[in-house]
Formats: sequence, structure tokens, C-alpha cells
Amino acid sequence: DTGVSQDPRHKITKRGQNVTFRCDPISEHNRLYWYRQTLGQGPEFLTYFQNEAQLEKSRLLSDRFSAERPKGSFSTLEIQRTEQGDSAMYLCASSTGPALQGYFGPGTRLTVT
Amino acid sequence: DQQVKQNSPSLSVQEGRISILNCDYTNSMFDYFLWYKKYPAEGPTFLISISSIKDKNEDGRFTVFLNKSAKHLSLHIVPSQPGDSAVYFCAASGMSSGNTPLVFGKGTRLSVIA
Repeated sequence: DTGVSQDPRHKITKRGQNVTFRCDPISEHNRLYWYRQTLGQGPEFLTYFQNEAQLEKSRLLSDRFSAERPKGSFSTLEIQRTEQGDSAMYLCASSTGPALQGYFGPGTRLTVT
Repeated sequence: DQQVKQNSPSLSVQEGRISILNCDYTNSMFDYFLWYKKYPAEGPTFLISISSIKDKNEDGRFTVFLNKSAKHLSLHIVPSQPGDSAVYFCAASGMSSGNTPLVFGKGTRLSVIA
């Protein structure tokens, strides 16, 4: 068990470009969460999957953001037409059942120039 | 509106002494609380949790205290070690209402001085 992995670890993109991040959860975990963390803030909830179903989305998740978890395994988070305000650390976490002590991945740091 | 507040951005403690990190919350629907530790370039790591049916939970050097009437919790680390230097996040959830996503505070940077 290698824990939650995220790819890429760093991404620099120009404003207006699309980016996609990947998260591979711990294999037996059926819940997968995406959070965003900006400088000086704690992680903020974006969206959550139970198996392949996306059960909840935060108001932070604008129409430019979309997340998928095909077959209930890995998940992708896509941001279209990136803006400078999207620059942040994007964190993925996974857990089993109702357990809340999610295991976090190392994050993907996005910089929009 | 910050539902989980960590009012001390930083804290310095000498090695061997007690570290006390504080957290306040405003949402009375929160009934499950967690502390995470975060090192640079890593994701947060779960430390300890407490349900609202308890007022204390202990795990080794880490103890979390919950005061529901004051909507306040604290994390005690005894004795503090240099490896404890990290950012500590308090998080809360309304587990009984089925609302599982966590709401985090802004974090407190703990520095343990040898």
C-alpha cells in the first residue's frame, strides 16, 4: 500500500489553458475527496465521490471545474479556461465508508501565469 | 464566514514542554472533530479525532479536549519534540447529519525549539 498518489505534483500553465489532475486513492477506499488549499488557508472542500458516484459538490466548484471517477477507481479533476485565481494546491483524499480520517495525497500545486 | 477558527497563526515551544493548540467553531451541527499535521510539500496527515459524545481523547503524546458549551477544542502535545514542528489544522464535520466533507481552520504553525 503506497498511499494516495497524485499526478502531476506541479503544473504551471498559462491563463486560459485547460489542465487535468489525477488522483489514485488507496485501493480499498470507496470514498474520494478533492480539496483546494490556497496560501494561508486550510483545505477547502470541492467535491466527493462514493465509488463512481459524485455525491456532493461545493459552491467553489464553478462550471469550469469537472471531476470524474470512472469505475470507482482513480479520479480526475479538470479545470477549463484557467484563471490566475485557480492557482492553489489541489489535494485528494480517500477513506473507507463513513470514516472521516481521510488519507491525503501530496497534492498538485497549480500555478496559472 | 469562517466556521472553524484557529486564531493563533503560529506558536513556539521549547522541546520537552507542552504545546497547546486551540480551535473554535461556530456551527452547532458539527459533532466530529479532527486534527491534522502538515509538513511542507506533503498532504495533511491525520493525528487524532474526537466525537461530540466525548470530552477527551488521548493517543500517546497527543490529547484532544472538547468543550461543547464553549464550542472550543484544543490539542495538547506532551512532551513536544522538534519533529512535531509543522502546521496543525483543526477540522470539523456534521457526521450525524450525514454531512461528511470536512471544514478546516486556517492552521497554526508550531515550532518546537531544541
